[in-house]
Amino acid sequence: DSGVTQTPKHLITATGQRVTLRCSPRSGDLSVYWYQQSLDQGLQFLIQYYNGEERAKGNILERFSAQQFPDLHSELNLSSLELGDSALYFCASSADGRAYGELFFGEGSRLTVL
Amino acid sequence: DQQVKQNSPSLSVQEGRISILNCDYTNSMFDYFLWYKKYPAEGPTFLISISSIKDKNEDGRFTVFLNKSAKHLSLHIVPSQPGDSAVYFCAASASFGNEKLTFGTGTRLTIIP
Repeated sequence: DSGVTQTPKHLITATGQRVTLRCSPRSGDLSVYWYQQSLDQGLQFLIQYYNGEERAKGNILERFSAQQFPDLHSELNLSSLELGDSALYFCASSADGRAYGELFFGEGSRLTVL
Repeated sequence: DQQVKQNSPSLSVQEGRISILNCDYTNSMFDYFLWYKKYPAEGPTFLISISSIKDKNEDGRFTVFLNKSAKHLSLHIVPSQPGDSAVYFCAASASFGNEKLTFGTGTRLTIIP
């Protein structure tokens, strides 16, 4: 158990819909990262937050947005969903937001868009 | 643009033998490298790391080698055990500028009893 909690574990929805994925980091960790893993792909970095502020941005689509709340949990919002958005979305946390520190990953949220 | 490449999608090794997983990178700014291990239905977990000031780091049965001139790193597992069967991801980061971790596509290691 990494201490990172992601909900929901599985989600099935239709094209054009909007979903919200939630992540609670490990106790005491200030930084949250979101990664997307599509079929046979590596983990693609989406976005990082540190203590409520956006720290780094990857290949995140404009249809996607995220935020980190004062209690440090984070939400990833995916809108106008397309079939290609079907993927495993991982949240990870770290103590200080330094990428060369160890990241602790949640079990992921599997999104299926039909 | 795949900056971290794992060219072998899968690898099968006999139990007790050595497993060697390879990783290549293209970004010369990368100076910290990590290996993560992932079991089905679980998130990746950190395995071992190496800084660019070293060329080798050992942790029990796991050793990571870094060849900076070739932009290549490898993970050696000796001896391989059935519990090592998993997907292994190589990751890299640059300590200056954007510090995000860039992952490879993973290698599925199967240890044959």
